[in-house]
Amino acid sequence: DVKVTQSSRYLVKRTGEKVFLECVQDMDHENMFWYRQDPGLGLRLIYFSYDVKMKEKGDIPEGYSVSREKKERFSLILESASTNQTSMYLCASSPPNRNQPQHFGDGTRLSIL
Amino acid sequence: AQTVTQSQPEMSVQEAETVTLSCTYDTSENNYYLFWYKQPPSRQMILVIRQEAYKQQNATENRFSVNFQKAAKSFSLKISDSQLGDTAMYFCAFTRGFTSGTYKYIFGTGTRLKVLA
Repeated sequence: DVKVTQSSRYLVKRTGEKVFLECVQDMDHENMFWYRQDPGLGLRLIYFSYDVKMKEKGDIPEGYSVSREKKERFSLILESASTNQTSMYLCASSPPNRNQPQHFGDGTRLSIL
Repeated sequence: AQTVTQSQPEMSVQEAETVTLSCTYDTSENNYYLFWYKQPPSRQMILVIRQEAYKQQNATENRFSVNFQKAAKSFSLKISDSQLGDTAMYFCAFTRGFTSGTYKYIFGTGTRLKVLA
């Protein structure tokens, strides 16, 4: 069965900390995505990557960066965490064909205190 | 801007009844793909059903079917014989292409469906 694994289900960090969220997929997918999910706002794309070391900004990239050194791993980095980054973060992957659905991880609920 | 609108933030339905979730979208593309995803409480988001815009026939997956109206840019989801396990947040989405050849998904804000026993 296909699998997208996010490193933490729940995470609590302090304001100003550098935070790493890790995502690994075992489907050899070219595309990987990071979203944040907030009530009433749906899923908003932060960054996506269509190949190793390749990335594109999504709709809300400010305050975030990403890293994709290997095909199976896509990391989201909060350079200096702030309270407004408290949210649910979802990682997803998909093949390059746009008719293919995304496969999601379980999500990381991040709280910034 | 290309958008997806789900106008029903919350809905409820009695077990065994039928419910329809609405979704409208806006795009200037002619060829695109539409999806409905389901996110059960505290569980992973999974694909429910997919529709290709160039196919006129509505997609069906067991108790789930869509009513795709391309001219109206409408893509509603019908759940027949609702079950308690259908309780979830449902998201409508479509893929938007870039000139670089990559694409991304545009999601609606979701409809929270509760199936009542």
